[in-house]
Amino acid sequence: GAGVSQSPSNKVTEKGKDVELRCDPISGHTALYWYRQSLGQGLEFLIYFQGNSAPDKSGLPSDRFSAERTGGSVSTLTIQRTQQEDSAVYLCASSLVEGKEAFFGQGTRLTVV
Amino acid sequence: AQSVTQLGSHVSVSEGALVLLRCNYSSSVPPYLFWYVQYPNQGLQLLLKYTTGATLVKGINGFEAEFKKSETSFHLTKPSAHMSDAAEYFCAVSETGGFKTIFGAGTRLFVKA
Repeated sequence: GAGVSQSPSNKVTEKGKDVELRCDPISGHTALYWYRQSLGQGLEFLIYFQGNSAPDKSGLPSDRFSAERTGGSVSTLTIQRTQQEDSAVYLCASSLVEGKEAFFGQGTRLTVV
Repeated sequence: AQSVTQLGSHVSVSEGALVLLRCNYSSSVPPYLFWYVQYPNQGLQLLLKYTTGATLVKGINGFEAEFKKSETSFHLTKPSAHMSDAAEYFCAVSETGGFKTIFGAGTRLFVKA
């Protein structure tokens, strides 16, 4: 596609429910990142995929968070048993090769009520 | 491991005044350095980047940044602020030989009339 696509753009869920957020990176991009941006806060790194290597999960805030990347392309971020503090904008980015810029999607705004 | 520190979560300048947003990094190898901008209700976009060569790099909208290895800095400047520059700015670093990009916490720029 022309850019990084994220879906849904907005998601409202009840506390305790599971949610799945999807990211379609730019075709051919080997690196894929998930970040979280809470209201008034900066970017919080969550997880990083690079090719077929094991993902860097060092930023995931709890074991309720998980992510996978199928076929080196589409990625899904899953949050189980959502809590109100999970409310944020979840951003996905992809990049082609070393030293190249990361291209960001528009994000998914998650609201847990 | 690389890291990024942005000094000042909020910076306020008057229209027409100099803009200076500070970024310091740590990296065990020569870095690639980036500045991204996020306008209200929009995604992140690349403002400028340093990979190799000239240490003073120019970006869009009159912004520029200088890579100073001795100071491990990559400060962002613009001679004269415009109201449309009000946004959040993120400094980022990745290492040569690697792919992962680390973002700073961000600096929100306010421009006063």
